[in-house]
Amino acid sequence: KQEVTQIPAALSVPEGENLVLNCSFTDSAIYNLQWFRQDPGKGLTSLLLIQSSQREQTSGRLNASLDKSSGRSTLYIAASQPGDSATYLCAGMDSSYKLIFGSGTRLLVRP
Amino acid sequence: KAGVTQTPRYLIKTRGQQVTLSCSPISGHRSVSWYQQTPGQGLQFLFEYFSETQRNKGNFPGRFSGRQFSNSRSEMNVSTLELGDSALYLCASSLTVGGTGELFFGEGSRLTVL
Repeated sequence: KQEVTQIPAALSVPEGENLVLNCSFTDSAIYNLQWFRQDPGKGLTSLLLIQSSQREQTSGRLNASLDKSSGRSTLYIAASQPGDSATYLCAGMDSSYKLIFGSGTRLLVRP
Repeated sequence: KAGVTQTPRYLIKTRGQQVTLSCSPISGHRSVSWYQQTPGQGLQFLFEYFSETQRNKGNFPGRFSGRQFSNSRSEMNVSTLELGDSALYLCASSLTVGGTGELFFGEGSRLTVL
């Protein structure tokens, strides 16, 4: 059974800092891994999707990597801004095509 | 291009009642999946529909059901509401079945059961 874990649960950084959010999964047989952002009381915004055959994806200041052999994915945010403050969720598509979510990392970027 | 639209955004029900939530996917998307989000359990998969057929189902009791129409719009229904059903219900659409493509979420329907 696929389980997804995100550490840390919360992170506070000063503006301008580069940061890494971590996501680990127990079953390497994932079809893809997706990173989302959720603002308070809102839905999820898709940030990056990495297919199982890919190693990383980049969009603007965001870079996500996927290492199936170690069961890990990271989301790198460069030059963080206060507007990046949100909860970041990773989710892996398991072998039964269900998206399994981590519990999220709550990020606060201080001005 | 319009995103995923969920209605209603907020609703309050009492125990024992039933509720129906609606989701309109992005135009051209034929896969619709539903998730429940609670502070204690996080985001949990409910079910997925593609071409009017349920393709996948999570571990929820039979009180939770859904359907998809020929225009890809989907509804989910919860009968005999319990306090624990209070949650944010999120709908997501995708171009491909099984959600192997990118998922796009709506803003959610926040259900409060009193």
